[in-house]
Amino acid sequence: DIMMTQSPDSLAVSLGGRAAINCKSGQSVFFDSNNKSYLAWYQQKPREPPKLIMYWASTRESGVPERFSGSGSATDFTLTISSLQAEDVAIYYCQQYYSHPITFGQGTRLEIK
Amino acid sequence: DVRLVEAGGALVPPGRSLRLSCSASGFSLGDYNMHWFRQAPGKGLEWVGLIRSDGYGGTTEYAASLRGRFTISREDSNRIAYLHLNNLKAEDTAVYYCARDSFFYCGKDDCPRAGLDCWGQGTLVTVSS
Repeated sequence: DIMMTQSPDSLAVSLGGRAAINCKSGQSVFFDSNNKSYLAWYQQKPREPPKLIMYWASTRESGVPERFSGSGSATDFTLTISSLQAEDVAIYYCQQYYSHPITFGQGTRLEIK
Repeated sequence: DVRLVEAGGALVPPGRSLRLSCSASGFSLGDYNMHWFRQAPGKGLEWVGLIRSDGYGGTTEYAASLRGRFTISREDSNRIAYLHLNNLKAEDTAVYYCARDSFFYCGKDDCPRAGLDCWGQGTLVTVSS
């Protein structure tokens, strides 16, 4: 199984500030044949299911605000929120779909400072 | 509108069985790989298993720790997927979600979307005596 490790576990950022969440995979999730990292990000608000916000590590899902961006390749990835809004308070999970079983990071709780 | 709705969660004693359902609207279950996940109270997301699309034979795959107790099936005509939970244990207590996998393929020059793009609202299974 590919282990996914996120850092930090929790993060408090001021409104309008920048938030960065890191994700590290235990092995590369990059396919040479198509130059893609099989890495997605999800946002989960209390009492709601997860919501896809990013796939291929840096492709924003339709409808997701531009302040969300993804970067990284192979084993190291970052989700950045450029200007934090109140509605961004949530737990964020990275997930690899390079191989089964699908695995998630432990989650990063993002709060307002 | 694409939507998934789970049902069937309940409070059951250890050793009992339960069948969860995942009803789809706006798309055909047979066209997509469909996954089940669970989330224990206050914990992260755990993959339970999947049933592949018709194009991939409708085969199933399970988390190693759950294989033999949990099975997934599908009724395409009724647009329902099922998760059968057998010999339930206290550690199976969780919210169970079904989710649609939007990934089909990714070639060098043609790489459409990916990710679990539609989730149900979840159904709570509590295993306790």
